[in-house]
Amino acid sequence: AQSVTQLGSHVSVSEGALVLLRCNYSSSVPPYLFWYVQYPNQGLQLLLKYTSAATLVKGINGFEAEFKKSETSFHLTKPSAHMSDAAEYFCAVRINTGGFKTIFGAGTRLFVKA
Amino acid sequence: EAEVAQSPRYKITEKSQAVAFWCDPISGHATLYWYRQILGQGPELLVQFQDESVVDDSQLPKDRFSAERLKGVDSTLKIQPAELGDSAMYLCASSFFSGIATDTQYFGPGTRLTVL
Repeated sequence: AQSVTQLGSHVSVSEGALVLLRCNYSSSVPPYLFWYVQYPNQGLQLLLKYTSAATLVKGINGFEAEFKKSETSFHLTKPSAHMSDAAEYFCAVRINTGGFKTIFGAGTRLFVKA
Repeated sequence: EAEVAQSPRYKITEKSQAVAFWCDPISGHATLYWYRQILGQGPELLVQFQDESVVDDSQLPKDRFSAERLKGVDSTLKIQPAELGDSAMYLCASSFFSGIATDTQYFGPGTRLTVL
């Protein structure tokens, strides 16, 4: 079954430091991958999505992710963390079940220290 | 900017009571999703509608949960009777058409349910 695994339930970085959130997928066919962000007591917001057009995907708020087929990874990065980036981040994969269904990872909570 | 609306935002109930959540998707979105998100976990799909038809309810506990989208617009999710384990965030999302792999889902703010 197709799924995503997020490595690290919690990540802590200092303000201005590199943010790296890890996601690995399992898929026998080219996957459709997404990153979402969730702020406390809010719904999820799409950060970016991989559609096979380009391996490096740029999203909102300065985030980007690189699709690496050889590593089955789709890690999320941001060069310089800001306090406002503190949130929960979810990696997700769309699978074809007749229509398309989204499977979410368990999430990684990002803490940003001043 | 159009948004997915949900109400109530918070609900506290006692076990064995009935609860209902309402969702109004973005206008023109044919697909509507209900997810359950347990604290510390990712959202899990409960039911997916295409217009007024259910296309996936494989994870919906049908003995106590029901969902409807009668006119293919807004939707109601009901739990009867509520159990302690139902305490979670219930998220509604909508998208233009689920038949597209890269279809973007837009989420509402969620309903936080606490069952006492």
